[in-house]
This record gives sequence, structure tokens and C-alpha cells, in this order.
Amino acid sequence: NAGVMQNPRHLVRRRGQEARLRCSPMKGHSHVYWYRQLPEEGLKFMVYLQKENIIDESGMPKERFSAEFPKEGPSILRIQQVVRGDSAAYFCASSLQGYNEQFFGPGTRLTVL
Amino acid sequence: AQTVTQSQPEMSVQEAETVTLSCTYDTSESDYCLFWYKQPPSRQMILVIRQEAYKQQNATENRFSVNFQKAAKSFSLKISDSQLGDAAMYFCAYRSRSGGSNYKLTFGKGTLLTVNP
Repeated sequence: NAGVMQNPRHLVRRRGQEARLRCSPMKGHSHVYWYRQLPEEGLKFMVYLQKENIIDESGMPKERFSAEFPKEGPSILRIQQVVRGDSAAYFCASSLQGYNEQFFGPGTRLTVL
Repeated sequence: AQTVTQSQPEMSVQEAETVTLSCTYDTSESDYCLFWYKQPPSRQMILVIRQEAYKQQNATENRFSVNFQKAAKSFSLKISDSQLGDAAMYFCAYRSRSGGSNYKLTFGKGTLLTVNP
């Protein structure tokens, strides 16, 4: 009964490269959330997805960031042309329904050189 | 918009003693949930305890209990008989139970708890 899985756990990119972060929700969960934790800060909501749909992306920067949750496979958070300010821990959570408890993955720590 | 404030960036406690972490929040809603999450050095977010705003009784989970003061919008966490494994960053979080954003967690900035042997 695996929990939420995220990979990679650590990702290093140079400025201008692309970062792809993956999240596999808990078995049976079809609701996925992405949060970002900047240094010395709490987690901040980025986006909420159901299978094949983006429900709320109000917390996501308008440029360079995108997210998807396809019918098959993990949810992907994609950051194009990364900058140093994108360095952070990115957490994925999943739930059975949108109002249920969210279970968090271990996070991906992105470092931009 | 809801905000969550944790006014103690750092706290320390002696092993086996009791410590209380503070949290206040601001909301105009009446139906919501409050949470305390623990984030150890591994960075995994672990749910410690939750409190539904409509419940008058304070939640308790073993050595962890809360003091929920709805009128004062205060939600403190008490850890009794502190153990070395309690050392972590603790985050207070809010989630609405009504309206269109009843899935979004709003976190405070955290309190780093050190447990001294």
C-alpha cells in the first residue's frame, strides 16, 4: 500500500534548462495537488488537478510553469527555462475526493545553479 | 483570503517536558479545518492532528493535543512528554470546508522545535 511517490527526490538544473517533477498518487486517489516550499517558508498551494483536468491553477506562476495529470501515468509539474528563484522543495499531495485529507509525498528538492 | 501566523520561529524543550506551539489564523468563514503538520529533517510532511471548527472538543492524539479557541482564532499545539523524535519543523495549516476552495491548504511559516536530551 504505497503512499504518494515523487521522483526524483533531488534535481539539479542549470539556468535555462527544463525541470520535470513527477508525482504518483496513492492507489485509488484521483485528486492531486502541488505545493511549493521556498527556503524558510511554509508550503504554498500551486495547482489542483483531477485526471485530465486542471481544477485550480491560481497559485502557479503564469509563465514557465505547467502541470498535467494524464489519464494514464503520473502527474507532471514542468518548469521551463528555470531560474535561481525556482530553487525550492516541491511537494505533491493526493486525496480520494477534493475535500478529503491530503496525503503528502516526500517532495522533490530542485536546485538551480 | 485566509492567513495563518506562527509567531515562534524557534522553540526548544527538554526531553520529557511539555511544550506549546502557537498558531493564529484569520478567516471570515465559520466552517473550516485546522491542522498541525510535522516536517522532520527528511522533509516528509506528516499530519499530526486535525481539528474541525464545528467541534467544541479539542482534538487529542496520544501525546499531542490542541487548544482551539474559535473566537480568538487561535489553535495551539501541546506536546507532552517530549521525545527526541519530536524534533522537527511544525506547520499550522487551515482549510476551508465551504465554498469553492475547500481543498486548498494554507500554511504558516513554521516553528522549528528542538528537543534537548
